[in-house]
Amino acid sequence: DIQMTQSPSSLSASVGDRVTITCRASQSISSYLNWYQQKPGKAPKFLIYAASSLQTGVPSRFSGSGSGTDFTLTISSLQPEDFASYYCQQSYITPITFGQGTRLETK
Amino acid sequence: QLQLQESGPGLVKPSETLSLTCTVSGGSISSSAYYWGWIRQPPGRGLEWIGSIYYSGSTYYNPSLESRVTISVDTSKNQFSLKLSSVTAADTAVYYCARHPLWRGLLRGWFDPWGQGTLVTVSS
Repeated sequence: DIQMTQSPSSLSASVGDRVTITCRASQSISSYLNWYQQKPGKAPKFLIYAASSLQTGVPSRFSGSGSGTDFTLTISSLQPEDFASYYCQQSYITPITFGQGTRLETK
Repeated sequence: QLQLQESGPGLVKPSETLSLTCTVSGGSISSSAYYWGWIRQPPGRGLEWIGSIYYSGSTYYNPSLESRVTISVDTSKNQFSLKLSSVTAADTAVYYCARHPLWRGLLRGWFDPWGQGTLVTVSS
């Protein structure tokens, strides 16, 4: 199985901050990397596919980059509604696997 | 707008079989562009893919669960279902269903949209 490792596991930030979350795959997954946002008690919300393509309706302050084994999710200017957990997911090969999550909290 | 809704018992006894159904509305489960998946999340933990099914019945399963999992589809009802046998407390989780698109003709897509999820507790 491909292991997906996110860092940090948790992050404290303030409204307006620029934040970056990293996701590393245990082997190359090309650009088959997707990102989700999850708020407490809710289903994950799909944000980014193919490492850097924004899903329709997702604010442009979200961006993704990377290929191979190293990927990043960046929020350029945090908004109050962005405090949530974020998960990466590889879709290169089954079994599909997710990162352990990054919890973004208010500082 | 496509919507998915999970249904099934919220409490299952150890060693029994967990059974859930996902009802798809606002679109056809028989679309050639999509698989349909199950994902679970134990309380306070991360996401685990269980498996995905095509309208034809073709399936992919997570090897870690494959010996206990069966996913089936009923195109006449626009539903797909999950059965997980011989459950233990470790199977307690919120279970989600989601659409799983093909990407470049292969099962390399993402999950979107998701159902709201249903908590299944394994306890006697």
